[in-house]
Amino acid sequence: GAVVSQHPSWVICKSGTSVKIECRSLDFQATTMFWYRQFPKQSLMLMATSNEGSKATYEQGVEKDKFLINHASLTLSTLTVTSAHPEDSSFYICSAHPTSGSYNEQFFGPGTRLTVL
Amino acid sequence: AQSVTQLDSHVSVSEGTPVLLRCNYSSSYSPSLFWYVQHPNKGLQLLLKYTSAATLVKGINGFEAEFKKSETSFHLTKPSAHMSDAAEYFCVVILDNYGQNFVFGPGTRLSVLP
Repeated sequence: GAVVSQHPSWVICKSGTSVKIECRSLDFQATTMFWYRQFPKQSLMLMATSNEGSKATYEQGVEKDKFLINHASLTLSTLTVTSAHPEDSSFYICSAHPTSGSYNEQFFGPGTRLTVL
Repeated sequence: AQSVTQLDSHVSVSEGTPVLLRCNYSSSYSPSLFWYVQHPNKGLQLLLKYTSAATLVKGINGFEAEFKKSETSFHLTKPSAHMSDAAEYFCVVILDNYGQNFVFGPGTRLSVLP
């Protein structure tokens, strides 16, 4: 149980275009999901916290107008990178915190590799 | 401020020898601590977690970690390294009781030599 999927697993796009990444909790509901970014040979950095039915909370330095987050249901959060540029190329990982149960952890997706040409 | 430090950015061991990956944390209270492993271009896999129960925690694939409050440490060990253990390892401190506030360490890359 507690499986999180991401789609696509990798994507290549041209500079200036927008890319949408989906994060789904497959066998549990998640009121809260998280989006992380990982640059090569670096650790994960939290970008934003996504709450179902409300606006996302962005970490300092993350442009909310560039990284649009939508958490429309208890099993789906999406991250849209708008007007992507080469510096946005990174590994994006989502995680989900179960709504019910005594979990004090997050379950991570497999990640999405974004390459902006 | 709460933080987590991984003292070694890279550890190299021979197959069959012990593994020690160090993690120290800074927290104003007794935290929850996790170890995750990440293989190249893959997501994170939970190895083990400490949540104020037994201080010696056993995880998957033969890994274990010991929580030492006096040393503010949570080092990861394995008696005998396998080639498949080569990966990036992250120590994570949880800053709340709900698992919603994760702080990742910088990571340690483990290489296993034949």
